[in-house]
Amino acid sequence: DARVTQTPRDKVTEMGQEVTMRCQPILGHNTVFWYRQTMMQGLELLAYFRNRAPLDDSGMPKDRFSAEMPDATLATLKIQPSEPRDSAVYFCASGWGYRGQYFGPGTRLLVL
Amino acid sequence: QQQVKQSPQSLIVQKGGISIINCAYENTAFDYFPWYQQFPGKGPALLIAIRPDVSEKKEGRFTISFNKSAKQFSLHIMDSQPGDSATYFCAASAASGAGSYQLTFGKGTKLSVIP
Repeated sequence: DARVTQTPRDKVTEMGQEVTMRCQPILGHNTVFWYRQTMMQGLELLAYFRNRAPLDDSGMPKDRFSAEMPDATLATLKIQPSEPRDSAVYFCASGWGYRGQYFGPGTRLLVL
Repeated sequence: QQQVKQSPQSLIVQKGGISIINCAYENTAFDYFPWYQQFPGKGPALLIAIRPDVSEKKEGRFTISFNKSAKQFSLHIMDSQPGDSATYFCAASAASGAGSYQLTFGKGTKLSVIP
């Protein structure tokens, strides 16, 4: 049963520290998405890639967030420096055209 | 233009009853409409999806009804069970143009099925 995996599952850090979240998409999927979920805002799209090329990162605060896909098996989302308002659950999802997006279990981030 | 409006925000249904969640969209370029189910502490899971060339799709107890002219679609859960208690999200995407295959999500409906 192919699944999207994410690490770490939980992260507690102090304001100003760098945070790196990793995602392994489902093998064969050509699109990868990063979302942030909070009670107030719901699910927000931060960035997405197709065939490893970034297509849209307009949802990310550019001064502190960056997303990369160094190879087909790894996507990363980095926050530097982190702030308390970045506390949220971050989801990675992968997909192929109309076959829907399949979400990972999420990284729960708490910035103190 | 890109919004998907979902209602109700929360829903309480008795076991065995029918749960109905509604969504409306504006962007006529949308041509794929999935529903996701999310349990606490888990990622959203694709539940069922529909394309606009059909008006209804059924998978087990879950049915999507689609009204293209009204730009509305809904999820019906028949014989609702306590295990169906979760948050449900509708979504929509377009096959072409800016942001193709990018999902626009509704705000979610928290469903509670009581025994």
